[in-house]
Amino acid sequence: EVQLVESGGDLVQAGGSLRLSCAASGFTFSRSWMHWVRQAPGKGLVWVSRITDDGSSTIYADSVKGRFTISRDNAKNTLYLQMNSLRAEDTAVYYCATGGQGYLHHWGQGTLVTVPS
Amino acid sequence: QSALTQPASVSGSPGQSINISCTGTSSDVGGYNYVAWYQQHPDKAPKLTVYGVSNRPSGVSNRFSGSKSGNTASLTISGLQAEDEADYYCSSYTSTSQYVFGTGTKVTVL
Repeated sequence: EVQLVESGGDLVQAGGSLRLSCAASGFTFSRSWMHWVRQAPGKGLVWVSRITDDGSSTIYADSVKGRFTISRDNAKNTLYLQMNSLRAEDTAVYYCATGGQGYLHHWGQGTLVTVPS
Repeated sequence: QSALTQPASVSGSPGQSINISCTGTSSDVGGYNYVAWYQQHPDKAPKLTVYGVSNRPSGVSNRFSGSKSGNTASLTISGLQAEDEADYYCSSYTSTSQYVFGTGTKVTVL
């Protein structure tokens, strides 16, 4: 059974940093492209970033480009999202998800990041 | 990248069929057969319901079907059931190699 468990969410002041983790199990992590998606309270889904299976290629939403960095450790079956220069509008539940061809297949339960305004 | 446009809400009675539209541009929905749909119940993670415009993952009911015409994709739920009451989001791959989600549709079973 595929399992994705996010962690690292917290309350952080504007301008601060946070690193999220996503522990993966039940599938071959090193062969899977991975994504981060976020959802502000009461709002819709917003795609954040994607990384290829070997970590050689990454891409970001314009709203986080230059502030967020996606990375992975295939030896630890773990995906990361380093978030710097956090803003109030970054407040959201952050989900990690496995990537299919043009879709996001399995999702974790999410971790909440709060940046007070 | 602007969000894809979905109706805010759709409702139907048990047993009826409903359609949810998802309108984008030729740079996303219209340009690729990489449209997916996700079901999200309150306080739960999204669940993949349709991918590649019209394919269903294993375990998803055949009451869910997808289609696309031009820049607009659609999700049809037939034989509406109480458990189908949820938020639904479309998504598409884009010409900039990013992804974009729809604005979301709340489905209510009357």
